[in-house]
Order: sequence, then C-alpha cells, then structure tokens
Amino acid sequence: SSELTQDPAVSVALGQTVRITCQGDSLSSYSASWYQVKAGQAPLLVIFGIDNRPSGIPDRFSGSTSGITSSLTISGAQAEDEADYYCSSRDSSGTHLVFGGGAKLTVL
Amino acid sequence: QVQLVQSGAEVKKPGASVKVSCKASGYTFTHYNIHWVRQAPGQGLEWLGMINPYGGSTDYAQNFPDRVAMTRDTSTHTVYMELSSLRSEDTAVYYCARGGSDQWDFHHWGQGTLVTVSS
Repeated sequence: SSELTQDPAVSVALGQTVRITCQGDSLSSYSASWYQVKAGQAPLLVIFGIDNRPSGIPDRFSGSTSGITSSLTISGAQAEDEADYYCSSRDSSGTHLVFGGGAKLTVL
Repeated sequence: QVQLVQSGAEVKKPGASVKVSCKASGYTFTHYNIHWVRQAPGQGLEWLGMINPYGGSTDYAQNFPDRVAMTRDTSTHTVYMELSSLRSEDTAVYYCARGGSDQWDFHHWGQGTLVTVSS
C-alpha cells in the first residue's frame, strides 16, 4: 500500500484563497478525490478526478495535481467551508483505497 | 435518487462481532461497487474494503486480516459488513459508500452507523 500525507492544520482569512495539499507516490498514477467532513455528518465529495466538482459544489472549490502532490484550492473561503478535508486515491496496487490523514481548515 | 440506508447503532463487548447493513435504492444495484469506510472518534477516515454486488467478489484493506467480511443480498439490494474479534479501537462510525463512473470516487454515502465496543 502507499500513504498520502496532508498538513494537519490549515487556516485562511475569510474571503481569501487557501490551498490544501496531499502528497503520495500513488498520485503519479491515480487521481485524487477530496472530501469535506463536518462533525456529525457523512463525508461530502467536493472534488474527484483531479478537478471535477459534483453537482451542487460551489465553483470556489478546485483541484490540481503536479507530480506526486495534489491540491485542493478554495478561492474566496467562506465560514461554512470550515471543516476537515481528506484526500483519497487508489494505492500503488490500484486495488485498494487510501485516505490522507486529514487537514483541519479554520476560517478566520 | 440514489440512497444508501444503514442499520442502527450497535453496542458490543470486546471479542464479539458486529454486522452492519447498507440497503441501496435508486440505481441498478449490481452496477456499482460498495465500499466501507470508518471514522473513529477524533481520528481520520479509514477504508475497510469493497464488494462487487454483481459477483460478490471482495477486496479488504490490509489492516483487517481475517477480521472483516463483506457480503451482499441481491434480492434485497443490501450489502453487509461484518467485523469480528472487536476491540475498543474498533469503536467508530461505519459508512457504506458508492462510487460514480470511476467507482473510486464516493458520490453517495450512507448515514453512518455508530459501533461502540465496550465492556
């Protein structure tokens, strides 16, 4: 299996842009997905296939990948974006899924 | 619309087993794999494994050697996840999830089932 590494805590001023990163060898082969998790709620997919948004996800959420690092960017962060964010990808075998450790986003 | 409805909360003693169900509706049951993910209190998301409802084949995470089993009932469109030899560290909310066309992006989630392991 392979690991995905995220910075555990990220902060952003209201209305500013923030990037949350995810690093792992498998990201050179498989695209990352990103989930927003709020207390007491099921995870919500916000980005899949590197940079695709499910219907209903605001366009301030975007994704990108460079080498073994994938990023989730929130442009113009809102108070309701404060949550934990997890990246995921298939592992190097392609048959298992791994999650990053999660990043707690604080909107100041 | 796609719905995944899970069974209710469980309290189990260490060493026991728990079986959580996930009933699917709103799509062709055999067309999409179902995955199981858990989140322990204060911890991150952890993938347990997946089942292909068409043929019943499974693939489990390496962290659960011989402790997890996933099955399905095609007549009721229900998937089951059984975890055995429970320990306190298995206390978590367990989710079933379904992918989109890629199968590995979880567009749809069950509401979660809290499993508490306590003596």
